[in-house]
Amino acid sequence: AQTVTQSQPEMSVQEAETVTLSCTYDTSENNYYLFWYKQPPSRQMILVIRQEAYKQQNATENRFSVNFQKAAKSFSLKISDSQLGDTAMYFCAFMKHASGSRLTFGEGTQLTVNP
Amino acid sequence: EAQVTQNPRYLITVTGKKLTVTCSQNMNHEYMSWYRQDPGLGLRQIYYSMNVEVTDKGDVPEGYKVSRKEKRNFPLILESPSPNQTSLYFCASSHRWDGNSPLHFGNGTRLTVT
Repeated sequence: AQTVTQSQPEMSVQEAETVTLSCTYDTSENNYYLFWYKQPPSRQMILVIRQEAYKQQNATENRFSVNFQKAAKSFSLKISDSQLGDTAMYFCAFMKHASGSRLTFGEGTQLTVNP
Repeated sequence: EAQVTQNPRYLITVTGKKLTVTCSQNMNHEYMSWYRQDPGLGLRQIYYSMNVEVTDKGDVPEGYKVSRKEKRNFPLILESPSPNQTSLYFCASSHRWDGNSPLHFGNGTRLTVT
């Protein structure tokens, strides 16, 4: 079974600064996907970024980028130029290829961006 | 607008009183699933469906039932709710059942069982 661990329950950052959220996972699979989801106070689950395990290149989406270290089973999210609207709970998630889209989520990290 | 619609948004009920949380998507998605979110545990999958009349258990199916009689609807049924089912529930759908199709989530249903 896969497990996903987010070791930082809470983090804070000043507006315009950069912050990195950590995520580690455990799997014996070789083909899989990794995701970061954002959950603002509205409760909506919003996909931030997606990484395919077979791709060496780290995914980026505007101010969001990941550091994917497959051998270390690490998948951290970097948020650059943090904005107040980035305040949210962030979940790291794992999906085994052809698994019926079953996502295994981490515990979540509550990020607060301070003005 | 493409969306996944859950109802109700909030629900308070008593132990043992059967309830249904509805979920509907207007994107003609094949795949639908239910998750529950609890503090410190993230989201855990309850049930999923790869197509009409095809459903399967997720990680925490005990105490729940689902059905998929139509492609667009995937209701979650609690036959005899108990306090340990107090949680935030999410329905999600995607075009296909692999990681290439993004999951679209509903807005969640906050359930309290007293």
